[in-house]
Parts: sequence; structure tokens; C-alpha cells
Amino acid sequence: QKEVEQDPGPLSVPEGAIVSLNCTYSNSAFQYFMWYRQYSRKGPELLMYTYSSGNKEDGRFTAQVDKSSKYISLFIRDSQPSDSATYLCALDSNYQLIWGAGTKLIIKP
Amino acid sequence: NAGVTQTPKFRILKIGQSMTLQCTQDMNHNYMYWYRQDPGMGLKLIYYSVGAGITDKGEVPNGYNVSRSTTEDFPLRLELAAPSQTSVYFCASSYSLEEKLFFGSGTQLSVL
Repeated sequence: QKEVEQDPGPLSVPEGAIVSLNCTYSNSAFQYFMWYRQYSRKGPELLMYTYSSGNKEDGRFTAQVDKSSKYISLFIRDSQPSDSATYLCALDSNYQLIWGAGTKLIIKP
Repeated sequence: NAGVTQTPKFRILKIGQSMTLQCTQDMNHNYMYWYRQDPGMGLKLIYYSVGAGITDKGEVPNGYNVSRSTTEDFPLRLELAAPSQTSVYFCASSYSLEEKLFFGSGTQLSVL
């Protein structure tokens, strides 16, 4: 079993839809939870960062962490074609980052 | 502001050849990293460095070597290339271990 599981997609939704991207993990030692966005042929860039259970909002993006269920989510409201990218979750324990495989998201105009 | 710059962007190697992937950053970051990204897999850490002259192995170091003679540069050396090293390689840097990673645009390497 992988330490971090992430549905690879692709996930295709119409413009304006609410998108839910998810990761599950097995190690309860993870303390920090990040979402990176990666455009085609580019390196990942940090989108959201949280270290506690609950929700964190930034514009159209909301990161949710449920430590009891070992489950993290990224919600995108009013999705735009420019949101089309691969979204990677990354979990940190003792300064070691473990990455999900990434979910490819396609927003159709 | 250049950030993290990787060269080359693409390269094809024959089995047994060697090459160096270049990485330089202009943000005065102490921490630098090399990752590989394979389809359907998460990023895997190859080597990292916490400052000039200090390097350490990551999760998948076999077949690679690194050096860090300056704060800015962190080259990755592939010796005796093998097909299993076909991948996209990313260099990244950060101010500290708790800070976010800044990535380069990657090097797509094929070993045939």
C-alpha cells in the first residue's frame, strides 16, 4: 500500500463547476499538508498549505484536512479553463515530503 | 527574476553514457533538491543539499551523484545511464525545510 493515494484521473468537468480533489494517507505522523499545481511541462508550484484539521480558504480554493480519517481534499469553486493542470498532494513528516501521484484536471469551456 | 533554472530541457542518452543535469537558483536558498517524476508515481527525492558542501541521499539515489560547491548550483550526475533512469527530473530549492519548494521547469530524459 502506498503511503499516499491519489486518483490519477483525468477528471473532466465543465467550466464553473465545483471540483473536489482528494488524497488518502496511511501514516498518522504526517503533520503538514500541501497542494501543488503543475501545468504541462512545468514544475509544481505551491497552491495551499495547512497543518491542522479543518478548512483553509484562499480565494476560489479550499483545502480540507480530516486527520481522523487520514483524508485531505482540495475544492475549487467556479472552476476556470486556466485551472486545467495536474494537482499533487504532498504530506510532510519530520521534514520528509511524500507526494501523491497527482490528479489531472481538465476544465472544459 | 529567474528563480530555479534547469538545463537541458530535453536529452536522449544511449545506455552506458553519462551526463550532468544542471541546476542553478538565484534566490540565495540554502536547501536544494533533485526529484524524479515518473508517470503514475509521486515525485521521488534523489538527493538534497542543506548548504554548500553538504549533500545527502534521498529515497532513490542509486545511479546518481551530486555536488554542491556553491549556494547557487546543484548539478546532478548520471553515470552509466540505464533505461530505468528515463524520467522527468526536477530541481527545487527552498529557504528552509519548512518553507515551500520552488521548482525548475524540468529535464525530460530518455535512455535508449
